[in-house]
Amino acid sequence: QQKVQQSPESLSVPEGGMASFNCTSSDRNFQYFWWYRQHSGEGPKALMSIFSDGDKKEGRFTAHLNKASLHVSLHIRDSQPSDSALYFCAASPTGYQNFYFGKGTSLTVIP
Amino acid sequence: AQTIHQWPVAEIKAVGSPLSLGCTIKGKSSPNLYWYWQATGGTLQQLFYSITVGQVESVVQLNLSASRPKDDQFILSTEKLLLSHSGFYLCAWSLWGSSYEQYFGPGTRLTVL
Repeated sequence: QQKVQQSPESLSVPEGGMASFNCTSSDRNFQYFWWYRQHSGEGPKALMSIFSDGDKKEGRFTAHLNKASLHVSLHIRDSQPSDSALYFCAASPTGYQNFYFGKGTSLTVIP
Repeated sequence: AQTIHQWPVAEIKAVGSPLSLGCTIKGKSSPNLYWYWQATGGTLQQLFYSITVGQVESVVQLNLSASRPKDDQFILSTEKLLLSHSGFYLCAWSLWGSSYEQYFGPGTRLTVL
C-alpha cells in the first residue's frame, strides 16, 4: 500500500494562475513532510519543508500541513512556464532514515 | 562547483552482468547519504540510507547492495543484473538538523537488456 498518496496525477494551469497539489499519508508516525520538484532528466530539488501544523510561505510557494488529517498541500501562485515539472510530496517519521514519496503530480503551465 | 557527483551518467548492461554505481559528495562533513530508484516518470523508491561511514541500512530488497567506504562516497552494486533493475538511480545527501531536505545528484540512467 502506498503510504503517501498524491492528487491530482496531472494538472494544467495558465501562466499566472494558481497550481495546487495535495498529499495524504496513511501513517501517523510521519512527522516530517517536504515538497520536491523534478524537471525532466534531472534529480529532484527540494521546494519546501513543513513540520508544524499551519501554513508556510516562501515566495510564490505556500505549503499547508494538517497532522490530524495527515494532509499536506502545496500552492504555487503566479505560475510560470518554468514551473512545469513533476512535483512530489515526501514524508518521513524521523527526518533522516526512511523516506516515502508520492507518485507525483505532473504540472504543465500553458503560456 | 557541484557538491554531488554521480557516475557513470548512463549505462547499458546485459542481464546477469555486474553493476557498480558511484556517488561522491564534496565539501560536506558527515552527510546522511541515500540511494533511490525511479522508473521513467514514476515515484522515487528509497533503496538504502547511511548515517555514518561503514554502516548502510537497506530499505527494500531488490537484489542490490550498497556500501559507504568513505565519508564522502556511496556505492551501489549488484553481481547479477535483472531486467527490472532498469531505471534512473539517484544519490542524495542531507545534513543533521534544520530542514533535513535532501539534495539529489544528476542521476545515472541504467538500461538492462
